Amino acid sequence: EIVLTQSPGTLSLSPGERATLSCRASQTVTTSYLAWYQQKPGQAPRLLIYGASSRATGIPDRFSGSGYGTDFSLTISRLEPEDSAVYYCQHYGSSLFTFGPGTKVDI
Amino acid sequence: QVTLKESGPVLVKPTETLTLTCTVSGFSLSSGRMGVSWIRQPPGKALEWLAHIFSNDENSYSPSLKSRLTISKDTSKSQVVLTMTNMDPVDTATYYCARVGITVAGPYYYYYMDVWGKGTTVTVSS
Repeated sequence: EIVLTQSPGTLSLSPGERATLSCRASQTVTTSYLAWYQQKPGQAPRLLIYGASSRATGIPDRFSGSGYGTDFSLTISRLEPEDSAVYYCQHYGSSLFTFGPGTKVDI
Repeated sequence: QVTLKESGPVLVKPTETLTLTCTVSGFSLSSGRMGVSWIRQPPGKALEWLAHIFSNDENSYSPSLKSRLTISKDTSKSQVVLTMTNMDPVDTATYYCARVGITVAGPYYYYYMDVWGKGTTVTVSS
């Protein structure tokens, strides 16, 4: 069973800055099975990125994903106040879904 | 417009069985490359995937909870039902259902949860 680790636990940045969030898998994963989600307080998660680098419908281009193998990242190029949220990476493999523990972004 | 809505009891007692229903609209549970997953989130904690069922009836469960979970679907009612037995206070959480989308591009398959319900909060207490 694959375990996802996210770092840092919390990221405190200012509007306009760049945020880089890391997701590391315990073993090599299929890139197309890696997704990222944003969850704001009191709301359901929202799909941001699938296939490690493809933006979901309606997601601003300041959000981008990259990586392969065991190391993946989510970058928010120019932070806006509404980007304050917890961000989760997720993997699908061997018919199982796995979520990482999340990274909280404070702006 | 694709929507999912969770329903079920707000409060259950320890050792009872929880039954949650996800009612979907805007897509069919029997066609296309898609499915429905259940995910939960204890207060202040991370998301935890519980189970999924695909349109071809393939299903899978979290290894740590497999013995307690059953997922099924009623295509005619557009509903996916999750039962969890032997509830405990640690199972107190918000329970979400989400559509699992599957995109095929050449040799690649993409799996993701693209539409989520708003969640239903379940408290386990005597």
